[in-house]
Amino acid sequence: DAGITQSPRHKVTETGTPVTLRCHQTENHRYMYWYRQDPGHGLRLIHYSYGVKDTDKGEVSDGYSVSRSKTEDFLLTLESATSSQTSVYFCAIRRDASQETQYFGPGTRLLVL
Amino acid sequence: AQTVTQSQPEMSVQEAETVTLSCTYDTSESDYYLFWYKQPPSRQMILVIRQEAYKQQNATENRFSVNFQKAAKSFSLKISDSQLGDAAMYFCAYISRQGGSEKLVFGKGTKLTENP
Repeated sequence: DAGITQSPRHKVTETGTPVTLRCHQTENHRYMYWYRQDPGHGLRLIHYSYGVKDTDKGEVSDGYSVSRSKTEDFLLTLESATSSQTSVYFCAIRRDASQETQYFGPGTRLLVL
Repeated sequence: AQTVTQSQPEMSVQEAETVTLSCTYDTSESDYYLFWYKQPPSRQMILVIRQEAYKQQNATENRFSVNFQKAAKSFSLKISDSQLGDAAMYFCAYISRQGGSEKLVFGKGTKLTENP
C-alpha cells in the first residue's frame, strides 16, 4: 500500500461539464503523476508534478489541467469533458529513495456521455 | 520517441509451469530503468520487478525473474511455478528522461490466463 487514494472512484458526467479528480498521498513524496489507461494503449502520461506548484506536461495533456497547492494533493481537471476523455485515470507517486519506481493509486473510472 | 513493445497480446500457462512474457524497447539513452507491472481484474497496478540498466545481473523477486539483454534492448519476464493468482494483465515499462522531462512509457500489455 503506497498511501495513495483517488476520489471519486467512479464518475459519470455529461459532455461539456467540468470534472476534477483528486489524488491524495499520505507520505509527502515530491513527485506525483496522472495517467490515463485505454484499451490498446496501455498507460499514457497526462501531467506530472515535481513539487508544490511545479508541474509539467506528458504526452496526452491536451484538454487537461493540473494543480498542486499542497504536497499531498494533486488535482486533475477536465475543463470541458468530452467523450474521448472516457477512460480510467491513475495517479502515481515516486518515492524519492526508490530509484525511479512509481506506485499507483486504485484508479478512477470516468464515463463522459 | 521511446517505445515499448509487447509482442504477445495473450498468453496462457498451466498451473505450476513456467511462462515467459516478452518485451522489447527502443531508446538512445544509456541509463534507465525497466519495470514489469501486474494489473489483476481489480485494476490496481502492482509492481512486480524492477531492473536498473547499469546492472548486468538480472533481477529476481521470488518466482519472478527477468532476462535483461541490454544490447538487444530486450526485457522478458519469467514466472516460475505459476499460480492461479498470477492471472492478470502484465505491462512492461521504461523510465525516460528525454528532453528534460520524465515519463514512464508503457507497453500495451500481455494478458496472462491460467489453466488449472
